[in-house]
Amino acid sequence: QQPVQSPQAVILREGEDAVINCSSSKALYSVHWYRQKHGEAPIFLMILLKGGEQKGHDKISASFNEKKQQSSLYLTASQLSYSGTYFCGTRGNTPLVFGKGTRLSVIA
Amino acid sequence: DAMVIQNPRYQVTQFGKPVTLSCSQTLNHNVMYWYQQKSSQAPKLLFHYYDKDFNNEADTPDNFQSRRPNTSFCFLDIRSPGLGDAAMYLCATSRDTTTASETQYFGPGTRLLVL
Repeated sequence: QQPVQSPQAVILREGEDAVINCSSSKALYSVHWYRQKHGEAPIFLMILLKGGEQKGHDKISASFNEKKQQSSLYLTASQLSYSGTYFCGTRGNTPLVFGKGTRLSVIA
Repeated sequence: DAMVIQNPRYQVTQFGKPVTLSCSQTLNHNVMYWYQQKSSQAPKLLFHYYDKDFNNEADTPDNFQSRRPNTSFCFLDIRSPGLGDAAMYLCATSRDTTTASETQYFGPGTRLLVL
C-alpha cells in the first residue's frame, strides 16, 4: 500500500527549513528516503528502522515514529542543491513502495 | 566502483515496435527490479527477479516482459509499445527483498520515447 506524503510541494528560500512527512496505514518496518533531481535516478538518503530512531546526514535528518506509522524528513538551512523531489519508500517483506513524492524548490 | 548501469540512457521507438532495455550490475546482488516512472509520478514497480525467480506485480501489463540470463544482467522487453508507455524506466538492485534495512540501489534510468 502506497505511503502518503505531505506536502505535495514546497518552495523555500535558501537558509529556510522544511519538513516532509510520510505516513502509512499499514505497519511500517522501515522507511527509506530518496531524493530525485529532474531526469535523474533516485539517490538514496537514509533508512530508518523500527524503534523510533532518528538519523542525520549533514543538515538533513529524519525521524521514524513506529507507533504513529510515520516518518518525517527535516531539511535545515536549505541550500540550492536540496531542490528535487523527495520520495519516501516503505517495505516490510516486499520491495519498496514509494509515496507520490514532495517537490522541493529552493530559491536564492 | 560497484554500480548499476542502464543502456541506453535514451531510447526512441515507434508505436508497436518491440524495444529492449538493458540493466547490468556489479554489486552481485540477488535481486533486480524494474520500475516505471512517468512524469511527476512515483516510481512504480513492474516486476523483480530474486535470482532466477520472476515476480510480476499484479497490475503490470502483459506487454511488459523481463529476462535475467545471469546474475549481472536483466532486460526489460516491451512487446508493442504504446504512447502511454513513454516513461523513465529505472532498474534497481538489492541483496534481498525481505530485510527491512536493505537498500535498493538505482541505475540512472532509460528514458523511453514512443513516436
